[in-house]
Amino acid sequence: QVQLQESGPGLVKPSQTLSLTCTVSGGSMSSGSYYWSWIRQPAGKGLEWIGRIDTSGSTNYNPSLESRLTISVDTSKNQFSLKLSSVTAADTAVYYCARDRHSEGATTFDYWGQGTLVTVSS
Amino acid sequence: YELTQPPSVSVSPGQTASITCSGDKLGDKYVCWYQQKPGQSPVVVIYEDRKRPSGIPERFSGSNSGNTATLTISGTQAMDEADYYCQAWDSSTVVFGGGTKLTVL
Repeated sequence: QVQLQESGPGLVKPSQTLSLTCTVSGGSMSSGSYYWSWIRQPAGKGLEWIGRIDTSGSTNYNPSLESRLTISVDTSKNQFSLKLSSVTAADTAVYYCARDRHSEGATTFDYWGQGTLVTVSS
Repeated sequence: YELTQPPSVSVSPGQTASITCSGDKLGDKYVCWYQQKPGQSPVVVIYEDRKRPSGIPERFSGSNSGNTATLTISGTQAMDEADYYCQAWDSSTVVFGGGTKLTVL
């Protein structure tokens, strides 16, 4: 059973960089053809896809966040990471990592982390 | 690309609930549906328009044609009360609908 766990600071100051890591357990990230995604959800609002990476390092980003966003992968640690720069209060949200099963135009998030709340505040 | 869902849908226990998701030529894309209960991570209930993951009850079904995808819950139970999100893949990005709150009353 694949499990994902987000980790990182719960509080980030405005204009600084938000950094989160997702640790995958229950299997190697390199097994199978999967992408690994970040998704966020402000309190009381809907889901917003942030971006994704595969184990070769190929990425796709949400165009609205791309200029501030870096997603990386470390297969030796079975982890992938998110860096979002120049944060504002609008970036306050629960951040989820998820496994992205992608094939022929179909993307399905079949495993999710429990989510971690990141608050942007001075 | 945008996916539009009704903010809320109400259904009586045992009746059929239908939640729609609209987008331009959505029928040409694959749609997933996620269920999210308060304080929990989303769970996929339908993928690739109409497929059910193992462990998802048969009362959940999906369809997609034209500009509209539909999640149907037959014999709705109180435990089905949750937020539901549709999702599709377009132009190398993932798009989510705004979500629909299903109330069972």
